Amino acid sequence: AQSVTQLDSQVPVFEEAPVELRCNYSSSVSVYLFWYVQYPNQGLQLLLKYLSGSTLVESINGFEAEFNKSQTSFHLRKPSVHISDTAEYFCAVRGSSGGSYIPTFGRGTSLIVHP
Amino acid sequence: KAGVTQTPRYLIKTRGQQVTLSCSPISGHRSVSWYQQTPGQGLQFLFEYFSETQRNKGNFPGRFSGRQFSNSRSEMNVSTLELGDSALYLCASSLKTGVETQYFGPGTRLLVL
Repeated sequence: AQSVTQLDSQVPVFEEAPVELRCNYSSSVSVYLFWYVQYPNQGLQLLLKYLSGSTLVESINGFEAEFNKSQTSFHLRKPSVHISDTAEYFCAVRGSSGGSYIPTFGRGTSLIVHP
Repeated sequence: KAGVTQTPRYLIKTRGQQVTLSCSPISGHRSVSWYQQTPGQGLQFLFEYFSETQRNKGNFPGRFSGRQFSNSRSEMNVSTLELGDSALYLCASSLKTGVETQYFGPGTRLLVL
């Protein structure tokens, strides 16, 4: 079985400040890791993903996440947030088990950027 | 290219009724997955269809079912609705099954009274 824990349900931050959204996972098999963003009244959009290779992955809008196998973590960071980054962020894991890649999502972290 | 579309966007039903939700994937995508999103349980995987076959299934009762047509469009059905079925139902499509990037639709918000 696999699980995902997003340690903070809400993260308030001021504009232009750095932010880290924490994600820990547990799985008995090899995993693939994802961060999604959900803006109000919209579906999810993929922000970035780790499949293999470099443990540091980046998105086009300045977010990055680092896969840490020993700590079973995949924290999301941005050095300077903007008001438009206000949204719900979901960490997800897909474990490879017999060719099945059923995804498990965290409960989400609400990022609130204040001016 | 048009994104994933879901119909209807909003729906109100009463307990005991059944409901069918529809999802049209991005053109060329052959995999469609369904998710339930609620404040209490978060985002939970329902099932995935690829080439008209169910490939993966989450931990939901048999009242939840789905199917996929030859044009990759998918429907999910919930029979004998319960109050707890009130949720946002999200559909996502991808080129193929596995760890391909999924593209999500805006969802269908179902309210069961």
